[in-house]
Amino acid sequence: DAKTTQPPSMDCAEGRAANLPCNHSTISGNEYVYWYRQIHSQGPQYIIHGLKNNETNEMASLIITEDRKSSTLILPHATLRDTAVYYCIVRVRIGNEKLTFGTGTRLTIIP
Amino acid sequence: GAVVSQHPSRVICKSGTSVKIECRSLDFQATTMFWYRQFPKKSLMLMATSNEGSKATYEQGVEKDKFLINHASLTLSTLTVTSAHPEDSSFYICSARDVTGNTEAFFGQGTRLTVV
Repeated sequence: DAKTTQPPSMDCAEGRAANLPCNHSTISGNEYVYWYRQIHSQGPQYIIHGLKNNETNEMASLIITEDRKSSTLILPHATLRDTAVYYCIVRVRIGNEKLTFGTGTRLTIIP
Repeated sequence: GAVVSQHPSRVICKSGTSVKIECRSLDFQATTMFWYRQFPKKSLMLMATSNEGSKATYEQGVEKDKFLINHASLTLSTLTVTSAHPEDSSFYICSARDVTGNTEAFFGQGTRLTVV
């Protein structure tokens, strides 16, 4: 799996949009960008994934640059419950290959 | 999304005893499950890949005789920490994908193991 780089920590005011960047400059053509988050003392939770088009679901939006070397996860209206560590992972979609977690970004939502 | 359940969520055991952690996929079948451990303020580290009906594949540095994995059915994998020591105290997490491999991986809620 390609390596990702994320800032170690970020703060965001409650109610504002949280924008979490991820660099994946060595991503392969068949690799997707996945985002998971881990709230303290819980297992990771799937958020969203994409290949090259921007994606949106009920939790977040994913913006992938045209060259696919970076992406941004957007939480449109952050709440205190969004405080978590966010992991950006790139991997192929099909198959049972393992997920390799980096250090992620610790997002703190400030009241 | 799909549900993966781990049990127990928290366990305390004495040094030298063994502890079994269960990971179940509740609404899908999983030929492959993954076991991770996580130390405080650190990221998840993959320990092993559990394959239904065959031997698990362990990551480098993980003792297979210490961490016994059994994946006897398409919905259940177990991790047994044998002869536990205080340094085995950690947060253990499993994940699973469905048999097609064509979905996201879903994670259990984790098991906090404390060896005293």
